[in-house]
Amino acid sequence: QKEVEQDPGPLSVPEGAIVSLNCTYSNSAFQYFMWYRQYSRKGPELLMYTYSSGNKEDGRFTAQVDKSSKYISLFIRDSQPSDSATYLCAMRKSGNKLVFGAGTILRVKS
Amino acid sequence: SQTIHQWPATLVQPVGSPLSLECTVEGTSNPNLYWYRQAAGRGLQLLFYSVGIGQISSEVPQNLSASRPQDRQFILSSKKLLLSDSGFYLCAWSVLGDSNEQYFGPGTRLTVT
Repeated sequence: QKEVEQDPGPLSVPEGAIVSLNCTYSNSAFQYFMWYRQYSRKGPELLMYTYSSGNKEDGRFTAQVDKSSKYISLFIRDSQPSDSATYLCAMRKSGNKLVFGAGTILRVKS
Repeated sequence: SQTIHQWPATLVQPVGSPLSLECTVEGTSNPNLYWYRQAAGRGLQLLFYSVGIGQISSEVPQNLSASRPQDRQFILSSKKLLLSDSGFYLCAWSVLGDSNEQYFGPGTRLTVT
């Protein structure tokens, strides 16, 4: 069993839709949870990270963590074609090593 | 501001040939450095990380090696490439110590034929 599971998609939505991206994990030692965005043929870039259970909002993006269910989500409001990318969740216990999900391909159609 | 460079951007190599990929970081000192590989449809697999010059930790036993000859230079090497070494290789840096924020380079797409 992988430590971090993420549906690869692709997820296709119309412009303006609310997007929900999710990851599950098996190791309760994970303490920090991150979302990266990766455009085609580029390196990933950090969108946001959170430490505790609950919600964290940044503009159109909301990260949600449910440690009791070992489940994290990223919501994108008012999705735009420029949001089309692969979204990777990542997690960290302690130390400096991240464990990444496989990534979900998102396509926002105009 | 900090910048991370990787080269080459694209590489096609025959099986059995050697490999050298280079990564350099500008605008920061004493960074943690990482090498990842991303296969098609899969997540990022951590290959090596380094917390200082000459200090390399290997995450996955395989056909590759890494070196850090200078503070902001990280090199990924192989003596003999295998078909399974094909993939997208990404270098990343973070500040020294524990950090959630890793900054990635543009990547090198390696095809072994």
